[in-house]
Amino acid sequence: AQKVTQAQTEISVVEKEDVTLDCVYETRDTTYYLFWYKQPPSGELVFLIRRNSFDEQNEISGRYSWNFQKSTSSFNFTITASQVVDSAVYFCALSPGMEYGNKLVFGAGTILRVKS
Amino acid sequence: NAGVTQTPKFRVLKTGQSMTLLCAQDMNHEYMYWYRQDPGMGLRLIHYSVGEGTTAKGEVPDGYNVSRLKKQNFLLGLESAAPSQTSVYFCASSYPGIDTEAFFGQGTRLTVV
Repeated sequence: AQKVTQAQTEISVVEKEDVTLDCVYETRDTTYYLFWYKQPPSGELVFLIRRNSFDEQNEISGRYSWNFQKSTSSFNFTITASQVVDSAVYFCALSPGMEYGNKLVFGAGTILRVKS
Repeated sequence: NAGVTQTPKFRVLKTGQSMTLLCAQDMNHEYMYWYRQDPGMGLRLIHYSVGEGTTAKGEVPDGYNVSRLKKQNFLLGLESAAPSQTSVYFCASSYPGIDTEAFFGQGTRLTVV
């Protein structure tokens, strides 16, 4: 079975704090992709990053960084020096390799509130 | 470039009424999807299509039907709306390949009373 768990329902931080959003996934596939999407208050989902199952190199993009650890089936997302504009719902998603149709399996989402 | 456009953006239905949600994409994507978003449950796949004239069931297909008569359009129908179908509905599209990101519409907020 394919499953994505985001255990943190809601996180509140003060601006400039660092925050890490956790994502744990389950799949029997050896080839798969993991994604993070952001849903700002306006409602649309915006793609942030993808990572394939063979690439455990962590990535940094500006204030964002991602930590992929296959041994613990985790794909965590860190925002450094958070800003009010980072307030959104963040979704982790899994694209299993053996699933017909590229169907994404989403976690429940983490609501991030950044207060000024 | 409009991307993925959903119509309507808001709708209130009475129990038992029917309606169709329209999704249009201008990126020439082969794959299209309908998801519903409910609090605490993330996005769940209702139906999807891998090409014109094809459709398939997702995780929560009951109470919904879909059609993909044209490559750029994907319609989601509710034949007899129920309060349990109150949700935010998202359409998405993508190229084939597990590495491709999906592009989402802005969502349709549907309330069934």
